[in-house]
Amino acid sequence: QKEVEQDPGPLSVPEGAIVSLNCTYSNSAFQYFMWYRQYSRKGPELLMYTYSSGNKEDGRFTAQVDKSSKYISLFIRDSQPSDSATYLCAMRGGNYQLIWGAGTKLIIKP
Amino acid sequence: KAGVTQTPRYLIKTRGQQVTLSCSPISGHRSVSWYQQTPGQGLQFLFEYFSETQRNKGNFPGRFSGRQFSNSRSEMNVSTLELGDSALYLCASSFLGLGGGTDTQYFGPGTRLTVL
Repeated sequence: QKEVEQDPGPLSVPEGAIVSLNCTYSNSAFQYFMWYRQYSRKGPELLMYTYSSGNKEDGRFTAQVDKSSKYISLFIRDSQPSDSATYLCAMRGGNYQLIWGAGTKLIIKP
Repeated sequence: KAGVTQTPRYLIKTRGQQVTLSCSPISGHRSVSWYQQTPGQGLQFLFEYFSETQRNKGNFPGRFSGRQFSNSRSEMNVSTLELGDSALYLCASSFLGLGGGTDTQYFGPGTRLTVL
């Protein structure tokens, strides 16, 4: 079993819909949680960063961490075709090494 | 400020050959990490260099090696290429290599390696 599980999709939704992307993990030592977005033919870019449990909002994006369930989510409101990309979750504990999910391919249909 | 650059962008090699990939980090960044990305596997960590020293290493065979120069530029080398080495190889740089969050990793566009 992988330390971080993420459904690879693809997830296809109509424009304007609320998107929910999720990752589960097994290591209770993870404290730092990140979401990266990767467009085709590009490297990943940091979208959201959360430390420990709770919610964090940035514009149309909300990151949520539930450490008791070992579950993190990224919500995208009012989704746009430009949000079409692969979304990767990443997390780490006290050491420096990030553990990554496989990435979810998201398609927003106009 | 210039981003992370990787060369070459595309490579085609045959089994048994050797390849060297190059990464130039953002100016001032001392940490360079290398990742292998394949469909369905996500990002697999190869190794991380900080101030010319390998500080962390992932679970890859010894055919995968790297180094970092005094100007923080880094190279990775794969010897005796296998078909399974076909992947996108990504380089990421940060100030301190704290693994994301407040010390954000910035990624290059990657080198697409195809092994025939």
